[in-house]
Amino acid sequence: SQKIEQNSEALNIQEGKTATLTCNYTNYSPAYLQWYRQDPGRGPVFLLLIRENEKEKRKERLKVTFDTTLKQSLFHITASQPADSATYLCALYQAGTALIFGKGTTLSVSS
Amino acid sequence: DSGVTQTPKHLITATGQRVTLRCSPRSGDLSVYWYQQSLDQGLQFLIQYYNGEERAKGNILERFSAQQFPDLHSELNLSSLELGDSALYFCASSVETTGQPQHFGDGTRLSIL
Repeated sequence: SQKIEQNSEALNIQEGKTATLTCNYTNYSPAYLQWYRQDPGRGPVFLLLIRENEKEKRKERLKVTFDTTLKQSLFHITASQPADSATYLCALYQAGTALIFGKGTTLSVSS
Repeated sequence: DSGVTQTPKHLITATGQRVTLRCSPRSGDLSVYWYQQSLDQGLQFLIQYYNGEERAKGNILERFSAQQFPDLHSELNLSSLELGDSALYFCASSVETTGQPQHFGDGTRLSIL
């Protein structure tokens, strides 16, 4: 069956370190992979989109990698700040289907 | 501000009742999506409309229905409500349908007593 798995445990890191979040998938052939940020009680906010033929995408302190052989995406936040504390969702788009979300990883950055 | 407006923000009702959730998409977006989010299930896709027509269906119960009107706003109708329907319901919109970034509203929190 199709599955999207994100770090099941919450991730706790210190301010200034790099946070790395993982998104693994099985039985999908995604054309796009997206990352969203969600704060408590708010809707998800789009961060980055990476296509199947792209290896890496950057935006300010954010970096996403996409390995279609490993069926994995890594999401990095460099020089993390307490304001980066949130839940991060990965989402896959496969042609002919809707965007499917993982359950998310909760990141907590302490000062 | 995503530009997507959902009303009401909170809704408290009883089992067996019927409610309507409303969504106004971001200006220029033709596609509207509805999601249900509960603590144990994560964000579950319910249904998508594009320019007034149903485009994709997810795990939407038969007791739930939706429509998109000519002005592109959308409504999600939930009937014969059960305790398990308590959740956050999000609406999102995008310009088209092909996996583009979606812009989410802040949701309607539905509590069934």
